Amino acid sequence: QSVLTQPPSVSGAPGQRVTISCSGSSSNLGAGYYVHWYQQLPGTTPKLLIYANSSRPSGVPDRFSGAKSGTSASLAITGLQAEDEADYYCQSYDSSLSSLVFGGGTKLTVL
Amino acid sequence: QVQLQESGPGLVKPSETLSLTCTVSGGSITSYYWSWIRQPPGKGLEWIGYMYYSGGSYHNPSLESRVTISVDTSKNQLSLKLSSVTAADTAVYYCARRRTTDYFDYWGQGALVTVSS
Repeated sequence: QSVLTQPPSVSGAPGQRVTISCSGSSSNLGAGYYVHWYQQLPGTTPKLLIYANSSRPSGVPDRFSGAKSGTSASLAITGLQAEDEADYYCQSYDSSLSSLVFGGGTKLTVL
Repeated sequence: QVQLQESGPGLVKPSETLSLTCTVSGGSITSYYWSWIRQPPGKGLEWIGYMYYSGGSYHNPSLESRVTISVDTSKNQLSLKLSSVTAADTAVYYCARRRTTDYFDYWGQGALVTVSS
């Protein structure tokens, strides 16, 4: 059981907007540690999608955006496309565990 | 473009030591921290630890007693040793480059290691 809680699955139709939540606590997101997001397409390596709460690496479309407030963070995907179907993971640092931690992952299904 | 490639045995017996190597190309291993992350089949990601070439290393406390991470600057390689393995250590093992604010921007393709007799 991860200290960063994500919904196991979300879904949306092409063109729609979906959000994936990442809920933490006062020892991770609430303590001010950054949250980062990764996309893992089926059978592939995780890819950095968002870093430092809301920054996008070069090459990541602006359809992907991140936000953080208090003990929660979210990843938003607008203009949903079939190729967005993947697992998404949030990641941060937890001071109680003294460890980098990942959320359990959310499977996005494009209907 | 930085590239990372994991290599090592795909099958390890229970109670033995898992050993993997990550070769970094397209950049010097002395410029960043380098990490190991694993993913059991069908499950999520777990950080194992990271290391700087000059010796600073940090490990997941849940694995710390069994983990050794080292860097060979002459070969531009990162290594992982995980001792006393059990079936629970069966996973795809990734090496990745860690950035200052604790995220991973470059990942290897991963190496599947199965623990079985």
